[in-house]
Amino acid sequence: QVQLQESGPGLVKPSETLSLTCTVSGGSVSSGSYYWSWIRQPPGKGLEWIGYIYYSGSTNYNPSLKSRVTISVDTSKNQFSLKLSSVTAADTAVYYCARDRYSDFGGYMDVWGKGTTVTVSS
Amino acid sequence: DIQMTQSPSSLSASVGDRVTITCQASQDISNYLNWYQQKPGKAPKLLIYDASNLETGVPSRFSGSGSGTDFTFTISSLQPEDIATYYCQQYDNLPPTFGQGTKVEIK
Repeated sequence: QVQLQESGPGLVKPSETLSLTCTVSGGSVSSGSYYWSWIRQPPGKGLEWIGYIYYSGSTNYNPSLKSRVTISVDTSKNQFSLKLSSVTAADTAVYYCARDRYSDFGGYMDVWGKGTTVTVSS
Repeated sequence: DIQMTQSPSSLSASVGDRVTITCQASQDISNYLNWYQQKPGKAPKLLIYDASNLETGVPSRFSGSGSGTDFTFTISSLQPEDIATYYCQQYDNLPPTFGQGTKVEIK
């Protein structure tokens, strides 16, 4: 059974770069059947998709964050990562990684990590 | 971006009641509509994909219907363990977008 686990600093200073990693176990990030997404949820608010990556390195980002986001994949470690630059308090959220069954005919996120809380504060 | 509007934003019902949540898309999304359940402090869980397909292992009291712009999610007989916030999500166009959520409570 595939499991995802987020890791990274829980506290980031304003203007710095948030960096998180998602480790995939019980499956392979190199599977051609899936994309790998990041989603976030500010405290008490709804869900926002950040972007996804394919094992080949192909990415797609939410236009609202595109200028600050980089998602990368390390197939040798079975991980994918998120970097969000120039963070502000508005980036404080629970960050989730998820397996994404995106295709030309829709998609859905069928496996999620437990989430990790990132607070932006000096 | 496609806007997803859920209603109601919250509801209170008794155990055994039929519960219905609606989701409207700002444009035609065919049947590319998913429903997730999120319990407090937990990650979202996929319940329904492509408008009406029940994810493996999800109880049959959950169901979904609709196409185009109007969708419905139903719990046929509300159980105490169904207390959660439910989100619709469209995945017809990038970026995928979520509704604002419907919080379901027990009366």
